[in-house]
Amino acid sequence: GGIITQTPKFLIGQEGQKLTLKCQQNFNHDTMYWYRQDSGKGLRLIYYSITENDLQKGDLSEGYDASREKKSSFSLTVTSAQKNEMAVFLCASSTGTGGARDTQYFGPGTRLLVL
Amino acid sequence: GDSVTQTEGLVTLTEGLPVMLNCTYQTIYSNPFLFWYVQHLNESPRLLLKSFTDNKRTEHQGFHATLHKSSSSFHLQKSSAQLSDSALYYCALSDISGSWQLIFGSGTQLTVMP
Repeated sequence: GGIITQTPKFLIGQEGQKLTLKCQQNFNHDTMYWYRQDSGKGLRLIYYSITENDLQKGDLSEGYDASREKKSSFSLTVTSAQKNEMAVFLCASSTGTGGARDTQYFGPGTRLLVL
Repeated sequence: GDSVTQTEGLVTLTEGLPVMLNCTYQTIYSNPFLFWYVQHLNESPRLLLKSFTDNKRTEHQGFHATLHKSSSSFHLQKSSAQLSDSALYYCALSDISGSWQLIFGSGTQLTVMP
């Protein structure tokens, strides 16, 4: 088994601020993902990474940057926080052997609020 | 592009009654792979079941679903709802072409009442 850790658990930012969210996994998985969860909109993919130093854009990548510094960690940056934005950001990982057919394991989430 | 539709945003039913959560999908690829993920309150989403075989029933933890390519559907069912089934359920789609992107539906919030 393994675990995914996301920090911080809660993030309060100001409009226009650059904010960074971090994710660590000890599954030894190759592939990692960042999703945004909004009520009534499901999970939308922001970025994913097939392996260390790889980055692939998802449908919601505009306004975000990502970094896969090493196999176990994947960071997401909100480049300019939008006023009144409120969302949950979920990190996930999978073995990577079967592409998107693999089971994804999710972290506990970071809850963002922009004042 | 690919899409997943979950028509019910909220489903409320009484304990002991059958559960059916609808999921239909659209894809240009002939080999879709369908998933149901479940998210209980204050928890992370986790896989409930998945399938890529046409007309074959897949079961896990009392839930079952059958992929029907003819109707592009993958409805989630359970014969008798329990209070602990109250959760947010997501249907999701990928394709065998090797795309890394999983397409999620908007989710169905199931509430089971005593």
